[in-house]
Amino acid sequence: ETGVTQTPRHLVMGMTNKKSLKCEQHLGHNAMYWYKQSAKKPLELMFVYNFKEQTENNSVPSRFSPECPNSSHLFLHLHTLQPEDSALYLCASSYRQGGTGGELFFGEGSRLTVL
Amino acid sequence: DQQVKQNSPSLSVQEGRISILNCDYTNSMFDYFLWYKKYPAEGPTFLISISSIKDKNEDGRFTVFLNKSAKHLSLHIVPSQPGDSAVYFCAASGFSRGSTLGRLYFGRGTQLTVWP
Repeated sequence: ETGVTQTPRHLVMGMTNKKSLKCEQHLGHNAMYWYKQSAKKPLELMFVYNFKEQTENNSVPSRFSPECPNSSHLFLHLHTLQPEDSALYLCASSYRQGGTGGELFFGEGSRLTVL
Repeated sequence: DQQVKQNSPSLSVQEGRISILNCDYTNSMFDYFLWYKKYPAEGPTFLISISSIKDKNEDGRFTVFLNKSAKHLSLHIVPSQPGDSAVYFCAASGFSRGSTLGRLYFGRGTQLTVWP
């Protein structure tokens, strides 16, 4: 139990499907993040939410739509994805954004395959 | 533009020996540095951190060294154990909340293999 739970762990979807990834943290953190990990690439930050407000969108295509209804939950809505979007999507949380206390606690990831 | 670089994609060490993982950064505004460990099919887990006011931080078998003038940090694992075999990511951030420095910048990772 990492304190950050992601569902589903695996997802296969067609390019016309709409699906969502869910993340929940039980650590009392105030910041939540979506990262993408593709093969042989560094972790790519996608979105940051701090106290439910989006503070960073790292030029992510609009086919990825985040939602943060409260500090404990984060969603990533997926629509008309491309095969190159297949990757491991990692959710993370931290007590604060950046600096001491900014240590990220990651979930186990959602492995997405787009056919 | 990679602001955090791990130039060695892999490292192989015999059990009981020291593992030294290296990381370089380019942004002099970074002042907080972290190491994460990742096993296959799992998310990264936080291992150890160091702020720029220190040059060394130790936690059991793990020690992180920071050389600010060289913009270089290293993670030492001693003695290395087979269970340490994983990908190690170096990350850096700044204290400026609300700025892009408040986010973590990750290196590409180094695959450590510890053999018996």
